[in-house]
Amino acid sequence: NAGVTQTPKFRVLKTGQSMTLLCAQDMNHEYMYWYRQDPGMGLRLIHYSVGEGTTAKGEVPDGYNVSRLKKQNFLLGLESAAPSQTSVYFCASCSAPGRTDTQYFGPGTRLTVL
Amino acid sequence: AQSVTQLGSHVSVSEGALVLLRCNYSSSVPPYLFWYVQYPNQGLQLLLKYTSAATLVKGINGFEAEFKKSETSFHLTKPSAHMSDAAEYFCAVSGSYNQGGKLIFGQGTELSVKP
Repeated sequence: NAGVTQTPKFRVLKTGQSMTLLCAQDMNHEYMYWYRQDPGMGLRLIHYSVGEGTTAKGEVPDGYNVSRLKKQNFLLGLESAAPSQTSVYFCASCSAPGRTDTQYFGPGTRLTVL
Repeated sequence: AQSVTQLGSHVSVSEGALVLLRCNYSSSVPPYLFWYVQYPNQGLQLLLKYTSAATLVKGINGFEAEFKKSETSFHLTKPSAHMSDAAEYFCAVSGSYNQGGKLIFGQGTELSVKP
């Protein structure tokens, strides 16, 4: 199993450009999450999904959109990138809605917005 | 509401010394707690988790953590540090029942190990 994979690994955007980050998992997990990691702030939840066709806002959703058209994929979109969105983005997935279940993380996407 | 505070953004120990990384939590529901490790340029990997079965939790790579309800703490320890333990460590608490299993992370503690 590849686990959780993220595409691309690195990206540089100019202010105002758009892009989509792809997260894929091959563990048949129901729950998927997008986090951003910034120095000194830990990881903060952007959006999450509790199943195919569903999405919900997390802690810092502004400026991002998501879609979960297929169970194995969770896409994060930036419609008009801003320098404040320079960050490392992590996707995670989880098998069940229980609060004790382990989230499995992808390797991250490092995004720079100039 | 839940929150996590990690005391010390950077901890430095000598190889072979005790590792102690501090985590305090706040939770309005029974807390489930996690420690994750992040090696440079990698994603997060689960070290251990507390799910109320036992207050002393053993994890991978010789780490363990003790849940202390009276102190609202879940500190991570390892008796003897190894150079390969150098990484960033995150404590997290699981969100409440209607929050889709989301994790609330602390700010992270970077562990350096000196030879």
